[in-house]
Amino acid sequence: DAGVIQSPRHEVTEMGQEVTLRCKPISGHDYLFWYRQTMMRGLELLIYFNNNVPIDDSGMPEDRFSAKMPNASFSTLKIQPSEPRDSAVYFCASSGTAYSGNTIYFGEGSWLTVV
Amino acid sequence: AQKITQTQPGMFVQEKEAVTLDCTYDTSDQSYGLFWYKQPSSGEMIFLIYQGSYDEQNATEGRYSLNFQKARKSANLVISASQLGDSAMYFCAMREGYNQGGKLIFGQGTELSVKP
Repeated sequence: DAGVIQSPRHEVTEMGQEVTLRCKPISGHDYLFWYRQTMMRGLELLIYFNNNVPIDDSGMPEDRFSAKMPNASFSTLKIQPSEPRDSAVYFCASSGTAYSGNTIYFGEGSWLTVV
Repeated sequence: AQKITQTQPGMFVQEKEAVTLDCTYDTSDQSYGLFWYKQPSSGEMIFLIYQGSYDEQNATEGRYSLNFQKARKSANLVISASQLGDSAMYFCAMREGYNQGGKLIFGQGTELSVKP
């Protein structure tokens, strides 16, 4: 079975540009998470969805960040405009319901560099 | 608020020996799940082991076992017979909420180095 698929794997962009990160969760999973990892702050939960509905977006750092999940098989995390301090690894993860197992599986991450 | 604490920023272990990575947690929920993930230098997050708060037996997965002490709110990872490939960052995480459908929160991680 395919795991969580993220794209792009690596992106280098200039400050002020829009960045869109994409995620395809594991088929049948109804929870989707977006995390950001930096050396300074570790792994931070940005937002998570259940059945395509955002449940908790308290970790989204500011209005420049937005996330959508238009259907069960696709989610985007958008940064507009991007800033150098947004440079990080962004992980998408998914899981099923408690009755089908709680294990949360991660994608390989999107490595973002803003110059 | 839920919290995960890993007090060991770095650990060294000799190849073939066992090592314990510490994790304590804080939650007021009765239903929660505890996870350990491995992050090698290549960056991916690899799921290792899971323990539910109502599970009475400690979880085991091959060379990994989770020493779950509910009263002390600790969930230490034990790696037996360490291998060079075990060198990586290890993260403890907790998921709480109804039927554990809440968010997954991570500790700061422990960097494990296995010496030949």
